[in-house]
Amino acid sequence: KQEVTQIPAALSVPEGENLVLNCSFTDSAIYNLQWFRQDPGKGLTSLLLIQSSQREQTSGRLNASLDKSSGRSTLYIAASQPGDSATYLCAVGLDTGNQFYFGTGTSLTVIP
Amino acid sequence: EPEVTQTPSHQVTQMGQEVILRCVPISNHLYFYWYRQILGQKVEFLVSFYNNEISEKSEIFDDQFSVERPDGSNFTLKIRSTKLEDSAMYFCASSDTSGGVGEQYFGPGTRLTVT
Repeated sequence: KQEVTQIPAALSVPEGENLVLNCSFTDSAIYNLQWFRQDPGKGLTSLLLIQSSQREQTSGRLNASLDKSSGRSTLYIAASQPGDSATYLCAVGLDTGNQFYFGTGTSLTVIP
Repeated sequence: EPEVTQTPSHQVTQMGQEVILRCVPISNHLYFYWYRQILGQKVEFLVSFYNNEISEKSEIFDDQFSVERPDGSNFTLKIRSTKLEDSAMYFCASSDTSGGVGEQYFGPGTRLTVT
């Protein structure tokens, strides 16, 4: 069974700092990996999707990388802003089956 | 931009009652999913649905749960006899991939409270 872990569980940084969120998974036979943002009491907003054949994806200040062989993905946020404060979830889709396996999440606070 | 919608946003019910959670997936999507998130815990997969049948389900999705696509737009999750431990946020998602797991678009969720 796929296990997805995210480190750190919580992170607090001053505004303007660049930061990295980590996601690790146990089964490298993945189809893709998706990063989401979740605001308190709200739904999941898709940030980036990386296919298993890709090494990275970028959207604005966000850059996600994928290393399948080592079972890791990172989400890099450049020049953080208070509006980036949220919980960030990574989810892994295997190449068999239809479900996503979610990580434990990293709660990010950006201090003005 | 197309989005997944869910109703109601919050449902309060008594233990033993039946509830139906409703979702309207993105119109050209073919794959539909339900997930749940118990407060403070991970998002967990419940079921996926394609071509009018369940394609995959987790061990959580027992006989108390059922899904249906009653018409061309709605996708529903029914819990027959709710338990206290069914209290959670329930998310619907859809994707347009023709195979495997594609990018999933999530709705805002329905918060179910069982008293």
